[in-house]
Amino acid sequence: GAVVSQHPSRVICKSGTSVKIECRSLDFQATTMFWYRQFPKQSLMLMATSNEGSKATYEQGVEKDKFLINHASLTLSTLTVTSAHPEDSSFYICSASSRQGGTDTQYFGPGTRLTVL
Amino acid sequence: DAKTTQPNSMESNEEEPVHLPCNHSTISGTDYIHWYRQLPSQGPEYVIHGLTSNVNNRMASLAIAEDRKSSTLILHRATLRDAAVYYCILSDAGNNRKLIWGLGTSLAVNP
Repeated sequence: GAVVSQHPSRVICKSGTSVKIECRSLDFQATTMFWYRQFPKQSLMLMATSNEGSKATYEQGVEKDKFLINHASLTLSTLTVTSAHPEDSSFYICSASSRQGGTDTQYFGPGTRLTVL
Repeated sequence: DAKTTQPNSMESNEEEPVHLPCNHSTISGTDYIHWYRQLPSQGPEYVIHGLTSNVNNRMASLAIAEDRKSSTLILHRATLRDAAVYYCILSDAGNNRKLIWGLGTSLAVNP
């Protein structure tokens, strides 16, 4: 159980275009999903917290107009990188939160490798 | 947010036990201790979590010090597939579900 999928796994796009990444919890419902970004040899950096049916909460320094997050259902959240530039190239990872053992445990998707040319 | 300290890297031999330490001297009473691991180019994988008592599951065991200021993740028999970066993270059981990620411990497993 607790499987999270991401689509696509890899995407290459031209500078200035927009890219949408989907995150789905396959066998559980998640009221809260998270979006992370990870640069090579660095740790995960939380970008935003996404709650179903409400606006996402962005971390300091993350542009909400550039990274659009939609969490329209209990099993789907999407991240759209708008007007992508080469510096947005990174590994994007989502997670979905499930309550177990007295606390919330995050289950992660396999990640999406974004390359902006 | 309470922070954790882990060694940058560790090495083990295949089929031997591995003890991965984590210090969290500023842990609060409501903080759970989570362990995740990440293989290259993959999303992190949940390993185990606990609050006060030691915990066991299919993947590993978690030994928590009596004062909760440190914990140890135990892999009973390391395999080559256990080579990964292991993260020890504290998470408040309350309304803050955010996980603050450090650099973790990079575990190498020798055949």
